[in-house]
Amino acid sequence: EIVLTQSPTTMAASPGEKVTITCRASSSVSYMHWFQQKSGTSPKPWIYDTSKLASGVPDRFSGSGSGTSYSLTISSMEAEDAATYYCLQRSSYPLTFGSGTKLEIK
Amino acid sequence: EVQLQQSGAELGKPGTSVKLSCKVSGYNIRSTYMHWVNQRPGKGLEWIGRIDPANGNTIYAEKFKSKATLTADTSSNTAYMQLSQLKSDDTAIYFCAMDYDLLFAYWGQGTLVTVSS
Repeated sequence: EIVLTQSPTTMAASPGEKVTITCRASSSVSYMHWFQQKSGTSPKPWIYDTSKLASGVPDRFSGSGSGTSYSLTISSMEAEDAATYYCLQRSSYPLTFGSGTKLEIK
Repeated sequence: EVQLQQSGAELGKPGTSVKLSCKVSGYNIRSTYMHWVNQRPGKGLEWIGRIDPANGNTIYAEKFKSKATLTADTSSNTAYMQLSQLKSDDTAIYFCAMDYDLLFAYWGQGTLVTVSS
């Protein structure tokens, strides 16, 4: 099983601040996928195939990485970005999620 | 518009089973995979398994192989998950999710399963 380790676990950012969330895999994966979840709602696809934005995702978000190291970046934090973000690998079964990064607005 | 409508909250006693449903509208489930994911209170997302409704083939995470049974009824466009031998640790929200143009493109609203005597 591929274990995904996200960091940080929680963080707070000020409006306009750049934010980077990392996801490290215990074995190499081909792509990384990211989901956003706000409290009390279902997760939403956010970034797929490492760097492609899902429909409706603002272009201040970006994704990058390869092999065992991936990241989600927000170029300029906005209040609406406060949420929990999860990475997911589908390179091998079982599919596995990272433990999540809770992002708050300062 | 694709929508996934999950069944209502369940209260199950320890040792019993519950069967959750996920009805899809706007897309034929025979053309996709249906996944199930859980989220324990205050915790993260955990993949349980997936079914190919076209042929019934399933893949489970190891820890759920004796806990969850995934089925699908293509005539009603509905996926099901039965959870057996309920324990307090099974208390969670259970989501169904569907692949479409991308992985886990659509999600149900979640079903809360509470295990309590």
